[in-house]
Amino acid sequence: EVQLVESGGGLVQPGGSLRLSCAASGFTFSSYWMHWVRQAPGKGLVWVSRINSDGSSTSYADSVKGRFTISRDNAKNTLYLQMNSLRAEDTAVYYCARDLWGYCSGGSCYFSAAFDIWGQGTMVTVSS
Amino acid sequence: QSVLTQPPSVSAAPGQKVTISCSGSSSNIGNNYVSWYQQLPGTAPKLLIYENNKRPSGIPDRFSGSKSGTSATLGITGLQTGDEADYYCGTWDSSLSAGQGVFGTGTKVTVL
Repeated sequence: EVQLVESGGGLVQPGGSLRLSCAASGFTFSSYWMHWVRQAPGKGLVWVSRINSDGSSTSYADSVKGRFTISRDNAKNTLYLQMNSLRAEDTAVYYCARDLWGYCSGGSCYFSAAFDIWGQGTMVTVSS
Repeated sequence: QSVLTQPPSVSAAPGQKVTISCSGSSSNIGNNYVSWYQQLPGTAPKLLIYENNKRPSGIPDRFSGSKSGTSATLGITGLQTGDEADYYCGTWDSSLSAGQGVFGTGTKVTVL
C-alpha cells in the first residue's frame, strides 16, 4: 500500500525548534518530488516547501524561508522538515505530500505540482 | 496568504450540479497546471483533478475540471451527500525564481 506517515509534531515554545519526519512506503520514494503543506486550525491549505527527487533542489514559501529546511534521506525513504525560530502563526497540521511527477532536464525542472498521496498529518502547536 | 480566489461556499440539492471557480493570474494559473482537492472533515486532502482536467484512477467522472486563461473551474454533477466537503484548487506560481506552490481560499460544498 502506498503510504506516507508523518511524525514529530507536538507543543513547542515560540522561538523553539522541531523536526518533522515523513516515512514513505509502497512506492519508489527516490523517484518522486515531495512537498510539505500545512493547515492552521479552521483555515485553508498553505504550501510550505518542496524538494526534488535527489534533494538537490528546494523551494520555500516566503513565510518560512530562512527558518525551515526541507531534506530527504532516500536510503531511509524519509522526508524531513526542520523548523527553527517557530512562531505562533506556524501552528498547524503539517502534511507531507507526493508530487504526481517531476524531473529536471537541461538545467530546468518540471513537475506537476499535483499532490496525489498525502499523509495523515502531524499537529504542531507553538505556544508558551 | 492565498493568491487564488474561490467562492466561500456553494450549495445544491442531491442530484444537481455545482461549479467552483478558482481565479488567479498569469504567473500561476495562466502558465501552470491546476489541480483540485477534496477535503472531508478531519481528513487529509484528496486529489480529484490534475493537469487541469485529468482524473486520477478511482475518481468518478462526476468530477470534472477545466481551465481558461487565468481561471479554472471544478464541476460536480449528480451531487451526493458524500460530496459535502471543502474543495481547494492548487497550482504553482512562477513569479519568483524557485517558484512557490499556491492554493485557493477553499470552497465549502453543502448538499441541501
